[in-house]
Amino acid sequence: GENVEQHPSTLSVQEGDSAVIKCTYSDSASNYFPWYKQELGKRPQLIIDIRSNVGEKKDQRIAVTLNKTAKHFSLHITETQHEDSAVYFCAARDSGNTPLVFGKGTRLSVIA
Amino acid sequence: GAGVSQSPSNKVTEKGKDVELRCDPISGHTALYWYRQSLGQGLEFLIYFQGNSAPDKSGLPSDRFSAERTGGSVSTLTIQRTQQEDSAVYLCASSPLRAQPQHFGDGTRLSIL
Repeated sequence: GENVEQHPSTLSVQEGDSAVIKCTYSDSASNYFPWYKQELGKRPQLIIDIRSNVGEKKDQRIAVTLNKTAKHFSLHITETQHEDSAVYFCAARDSGNTPLVFGKGTRLSVIA
Repeated sequence: GAGVSQSPSNKVTEKGKDVELRCDPISGHTALYWYRQSLGQGLEFLIYFQGNSAPDKSGLPSDRFSAERTGGSVSTLTIQRTQQEDSAVYLCASSPLRAQPQHFGDGTRLSIL
C-alpha cells in the first residue's frame, strides 16, 4: 500500500520568509496529492491539490510542485504571515475514491 | 447543509462504556471516510464507505470498532468497551464520486476516563 513520508516535522520561519515542506510517496499509481492546513483545535482544510498530469500549481502565496519520477511533492509558501502558523499535512492516493494516505504533518511557526 | 457535520463535538465517558459517533456528510457526497487523530499526531485512516458499502475496513484498530452507513448518507462509528487508548479526535470526511477532494468535519473529541 501507499506510504507517505513528510519532512520536516517542525519548521520555524521569520515572517516574510518562505517555507517549504516536502513529502515522498511510495506507490507509483498515486495520482492525486492534496495539502491540508489544520489550525489548533480545528478541522483540516484543503488549501491546494495537484494531480499527476501537471508539475506545478499556484494559488497566490501557495504553490505545490510534483516530481513523478522521484515520487516527491512539495508545498511552498512565500511571504509567510503569522496566520500561516498551523500544522500542514500532505496526502496521496490513487484513482477513484480510495482513502487518502497522510503524512505525519509539519508544524509551521511563523515568527514576527 | 454547508459542510460535513459531526456529533457530538465532545464526548467524555468511562472506560468500558460503548460510544456512538455520528457523521452527516455533505449532501450528494457518495464517499465517506473516518479518521482518528491522537493528540499532536497525524491522521490515521479507519474505514471508508462508497454508498452504503465499506470496501476498505483495514484501518479499524480492533473488533471493538465498527461503522455503518444507511441510506447513503449518515454514518455511525461505534466503539464498544472503550479503552483509554481510544481517546482521540475522530474526524469524518466526505467527497463526491470520482476522485474529488475530501472535506472534513470538525470532529468528535473523545475522552475515556
